[in-house]
Amino acid sequence: GQNIDQPTEMTATEGAIVQINCTYQTSGFNGLFWYQQHAGEAPTFLSYNVLDGLEEKGRFSSFLSRSKGYSYLLLKELQMKDSASYLCAVMDSNYQLIWGAGTKLIIKP
Amino acid sequence: TAGITQAPTSQILAAGRSMTLRCTQDMRHNAMYWYRQDLGLGLRLIHYSNTAGTTGKGEVPDGYSVSRANTDDFPLTLASAVPSQTSVYFCASSDSASGNTGELFFGEGSRLTVL
Repeated sequence: GQNIDQPTEMTATEGAIVQINCTYQTSGFNGLFWYQQHAGEAPTFLSYNVLDGLEEKGRFSSFLSRSKGYSYLLLKELQMKDSASYLCAVMDSNYQLIWGAGTKLIIKP
Repeated sequence: TAGITQAPTSQILAAGRSMTLRCTQDMRHNAMYWYRQDLGLGLRLIHYSNTAGTTGKGEVPDGYSVSRANTDDFPLTLASAVPSQTSVYFCASSDSASGNTGELFFGEGSRLTVL
C-alpha cells in the first residue's frame, strides 16, 4: 500500500527553527509537495521537490532524499502566523497525489 | 481574482437527502478535483476531471457523483447522504500545462454535517 508518515503535532518557539519530517512509501514517484493549511482554511502550496537536495524559498526550505523516501520542511525565524498544519503529499506513478495526515505546528511566544 | 469558489460554506443535511456542492473556477484550469478531509486522515480524492467532458474516480468515490459540462464548473452530488459523509469537502484545480508540477489551488471548503 501507499503511505505517507509525518508527526501529528509539533511545538516550537517564536523566532526559532523547526524541522517537520515526512517519510513515504508510494508506487512510483513524481514529486513531493508541501502545503500549509491554517485552521478552517484551504491548503496553500509551499514547495515542490522532484530532485534530491534542498530547495530554499525565503524562511522556508524543503529537502528531498528519494533513495531514503524522506523529506523535511524547515521553517526558520518562526512567527506566530506560522501556526498551521503542514501537509506532505507525494505524486505517484499515476500522477495522483497521496496525502499525509498533516503536522499541526504550534508556535509559542 | 476569485480563483475557486465553493458553495455552500456549510450545510446540515438529514440522512437520505440529496445535496450538490458547487465549485466554480475562473483560472481556466483543465484539471479539477474533489477531496474530503477528515480529522486524523490525509486529504482523500473523491473524483477528478482532467478536462471538460471527462471524469474519473478517486480513492473514495462511493456515494458521490460529479459532472464536468464545461471548464469552469465541477459540482459534486451526494444522491442519498449518510452520516459517514460528514466531512469538510475541498474542490481544487490545477493547470495541466504546468507540466504536472502538482500545484493545486483549493477552494475555501464546504463543511457538511449529515444527521
